[in-house]
Amino acid sequence: DVKVTQSSRYLVKRTGEKVFLECVQDMDHENMFWYRQDPGLGLRLIYFSYDVKMKEKGDIPEGYSVSREKKERFSLILESASTNQTSMYLCASSFQTGGNQPQHFGDGTRLSIL
Amino acid sequence: GQNIDQPTEMTATEGAIVQINCTYQTSGFNGLFWYQQHAGEAPTFLSYNVLDGLEEKGRFSSFLSRSKGYSYLLLKELQMKDSASYLCAVREMNTGFQKLVFGTGTRLLVSP
Repeated sequence: DVKVTQSSRYLVKRTGEKVFLECVQDMDHENMFWYRQDPGLGLRLIYFSYDVKMKEKGDIPEGYSVSREKKERFSLILESASTNQTSMYLCASSFQTGGNQPQHFGDGTRLSIL
Repeated sequence: GQNIDQPTEMTATEGAIVQINCTYQTSGFNGLFWYQQHAGEAPTFLSYNVLDGLEEKGRFSSFLSRSKGYSYLLLKELQMKDSASYLCAVREMNTGFQKLVFGTGTRLLVSP
């Protein structure tokens, strides 16, 4: 089974802090994604990566950056956390070939910015 | 851009059948996925459609009509454990990447 592991289930940080969310997958997937999930808004794509050291902006990249130094690891960085970044953050991965290959999700990190 | 619509909430009775609809507007359509998400858990993959027609997988089936921009997820013989949110997601490929755009999800409550 595909395993996507996010480093923390719950995280509380303060406004202005630099926050790192880590995600690791064990299926040699080329693609990795970061989403945030908010009530009434669904999952929104923040950033994605299709290869090591490659990144593409999603729909809501402002206030975030990412890092992919190794194929299995994709990090989301909140440069200076703000209260409107309080949310559930979900990481996902998939093969690049498309077709019926779905994205596989981690359990999520519920981040609170105080 | 994408626009995906699903009902916000539905209720049904154990043992019944329920149909969750999803309509979308897109350019570069390259497949539609349904995911199930229990509260506080990760979304898990249920089904995939890229051609018109019905895909059946046990108690769950998914239908797609590309010309109408329409899909539905059909759940038969409902069980209490089917209470969850169901997410419709459309993949677009016009950027050359596999990018999914999600609907806001349909929360299904199954009662005894």
